[in-house]
Amino acid sequence: GDSVTQMEGPVTLSEEAFLTINCTYTATGYPSLFWYVQYPGEGLQLLLKATKADDKGSNKGFEATYRKETTSFHLEKGSVQVSDSAVYFCALSGFTGNQFYFGTGTSLTVIP
Amino acid sequence: NAGVTQTPKFRVLKTGQSMTLLCAQDMNHEYMYWYRQDPGMGLRLIHYSVGEGTTAKGEVPDGYNVSRLKKQNFLLGLESAAPSQTSVYFCASSATGKVSEQYFGPGTRLTVT
Repeated sequence: GDSVTQMEGPVTLSEEAFLTINCTYTATGYPSLFWYVQYPGEGLQLLLKATKADDKGSNKGFEATYRKETTSFHLEKGSVQVSDSAVYFCALSGFTGNQFYFGTGTSLTVIP
Repeated sequence: NAGVTQTPKFRVLKTGQSMTLLCAQDMNHEYMYWYRQDPGMGLRLIHYSVGEGTTAKGEVPDGYNVSRLKKQNFLLGLESAAPSQTSVYFCASSATGKVSEQYFGPGTRLTVT
């Protein structure tokens, strides 16, 4: 079945460091891919998405490119801030269904 | 426009007790979902609804029941709570099911002792 695997955390970075959080997926057909962010004490918020191969989603300085050849959707940011401290979830929406499949989440802490 | 709201925010139950979690959305969305979030497990879909009066099972439906009597509300019930149901529960809604973003509520933290 469809699934998402993302790198385990926690990840701790200094402010202005480069961030990569890896995400790979298994799916039949052509899924859509998402990154969600969960700030402390809040629900999940959509960060960015890509609906077809080679699409790049971007928002708030974060980017991720839908790579069908490597079945990946890695999240990157060139210079993280303390306010980026949160848990990041990679997710997949299968082509044939209404269900989302979430990764286990990666906790990011950015220190000044 | 409140988005997605959940009631209550916190609850502690004893094993065997029952309770209902309420999710409400004011965006006129057709689709609504209940997830549970456990450490190291990510979010798992419990039940979902594709419209008023409809419900369907998700990945982990056992021990839960749901109802969607009104389009704006989606209720999650625990008839006989078990410690394994200790979790954070999130409700979400979306306009369409396939590729649209889901809007999430703030979550309900449930502890079953």
